[in-house]
Amino acid sequence: AEKVIQVWSTASRQEGEELTLDCSYETSQVLYHLFWYKHLLSGEMVFLIRQTSSSTAKERSGRYSVVFQKSLKSISLIISALQPDDSGKYFCALWERGNSGTYQRFGTGTKLQVVP
Amino acid sequence: DPKIIQKPKYLVAVTGSEKILICEQYLGHNAMYWYRQSAKKPLEFMFSYSYQKLMDNQTASSRFQPQSSKKNHLDLQITALKPDDSATYFCASSLPGHSGNTLYFGEGSRLIVV
Repeated sequence: AEKVIQVWSTASRQEGEELTLDCSYETSQVLYHLFWYKHLLSGEMVFLIRQTSSSTAKERSGRYSVVFQKSLKSISLIISALQPDDSGKYFCALWERGNSGTYQRFGTGTKLQVVP
Repeated sequence: DPKIIQKPKYLVAVTGSEKILICEQYLGHNAMYWYRQSAKKPLEFMFSYSYQKLMDNQTASSRFQPQSSKKNHLDLQITALKPDDSATYFCASSLPGHSGNTLYFGEGSRLIVV
């Protein structure tokens, strides 16, 4: 069974709007990290933002922020004031401290198109 | 300048042949990884290395062999290629992998097996 689930495979928004991308995950570990990455049209994969399971802080980085609902095992990425350059594929990833704690597991990604 | 260099960027190979995907990172990281992305599948973890030693292997087939000749190199040799091996292969690196550090990716090597 997949550990990281991104239900929406595609999304489309107008420039200037706000978007929420959802991700759910499965883990039995106490300590884990959640990441959001963006796969650019150029092929590059870049890190956006990270949430640690033990943190209650609302993580934010520029126009990116997250909503972390630990009890629901859900993390959403919010992108405000969308721009055409935000188009790309967004991946959620989970790292768990445990037996296989040397790598991150990824979801299938959500492809976003921002229309001018 | 790219900090993680993957070569080649695109590759077409014949079924049954052997290819090597090259990865070099200039971030000073000690952990390196290979991931594979096939159509409509999650980015799939293959191998992780730390200080040139294999840490995790989630690849069922022995046709995939990572090779680390230098601390900042992690190449991927694929033998007896099959059409199902067609995918984009991403190399990544990080600070020590057992701490859940952020991954930095190369631009990928897109392999098509015909």
